[in-house]
Parts: sequence; structure tokens; C-alpha cells
Amino acid sequence: SQTIHQWPATLVQPVGSPLSLECTVEGTSNPNLYWYRQAAGRGLQLLFYSVGIGQISSEVPQNLSASRPQDRQFILSSKKLLLSDSGFYLCAWTRGTGGYEQYFGPGTRLTVT
Amino acid sequence: AQSVTQLGSHVSVSEGALVLLRCNYSSSVPPYLFWYVQYPNQGLQLLLKYTTGATLVKGINGFEAEFKKSETSFHLTKPSAHMSDAAEYFCAVSDRGGKLIFGQGTELSVKP
Repeated sequence: SQTIHQWPATLVQPVGSPLSLECTVEGTSNPNLYWYRQAAGRGLQLLFYSVGIGQISSEVPQNLSASRPQDRQFILSSKKLLLSDSGFYLCAWTRGTGGYEQYFGPGTRLTVT
Repeated sequence: AQSVTQLGSHVSVSEGALVLLRCNYSSSVPPYLFWYVQYPNQGLQLLLKYTTGATLVKGINGFEAEFKKSETSFHLTKPSAHMSDAAEYFCAVSDRGGKLIFGQGTELSVKP
């Protein structure tokens, strides 16, 4: 069976510090991978998605970036965090296009102070 | 462009009562539609999905949804609410490229 992991589970970082969130998927190969952010009281905002190693598409211009160094690893980064980067970050994967559902990880709660 | 509108950011029902969460979508192509549930500080869990075929879709935990093309709706229902159903519910539409467009969510409260 497939599982998706995210770490860390919670993170408190000062403004201006760097960020690295990691997502890994087990039990499947060549998944499509997604990063979402969920701000308090709001829906999910798609940040990045990837259909393969080294292939990243950005949905929202901001100070975040994503990378996919391995087939089942997806990393969200920032060089300098802003207060507005606080939120709940969710990673998801899907088998591909054509009506496949996305499976979500447990999320990372980021608080920028 | 595709979009999803969930009517009502908060819905409160009594335990044992009917649950009805409303979702309307906009899509230029036949849509793929999904309902997800999120418990506090957790990821999203798929409740059910519609791709093609039968328009009444049954999901987990006793939930079901009906795809109505003429009304561009995909409302989620459950005949009898349970306390454990209290959570945030998200409706989503797929753009067929794999990306999901989510509604703003509906928080369901269940009163004893």
C-alpha cells in the first residue's frame, strides 16, 4: 500500500529564517506531487506541482520554491520566511491525470514569529 | 476556468439529523468531482468521487453525493449525523490535468 510522509509535523521559525519541508511517498512510482497551503479559516491554495524529477510548476508567485530531487521526494523551501508564510502545509500525490484522486499527507504546521 | 462554490461556511445539525453540504461547480469540460474531509490538524481524507457513470456516488462513513449536471451541483448528504462527523468538508473539481480546485470548505458541527 502507498503512504505519504511529511516532516516536520510542526515548526516555529523566526521571520527571515530559511525553510525546508519534506514530503516522501512510499509504495508507488512516478507519482504527481503537490504542495498546498491552508491558511487559518481558508481553503487550500495550490503552491507547486510536479509530474517528474526536476519538473516543477509554480501556481502562485511568492518567496517559496519547490524541488523534486528524487522520484518520490518533494521539498518546499524558502530562503527568508515572511509572517504571511504561516499556515498548514499539505503534500499530496496522485497516480496521474484522468480522474485519479489525490492522497494527502498529515501536514506541517508552520508558525512564523 | 474551473471553480467550486460551497454554500455555507458553517453548518450545524443535531445528532441523528440529515446532513446536507452544498457544492456547485463551474467547468467547461465534464468534471471529475471529489469530496474530502479534514479533522483538526490532519490531512485531507477522500470521502467519495465522481468521474463517469452512475451519478449517485456512495462513499465512506455513510456519505453519498449526487452529480447533477443540469444544476452543476455535487451536494454531499448523510441520512443521520454522528458526533464523529464533526469536521471540515471540502468539495473539489479536477481540471483533468490532475490538479484539484477546492472550495473554501464547510465546517460541520454536530450537536448532541
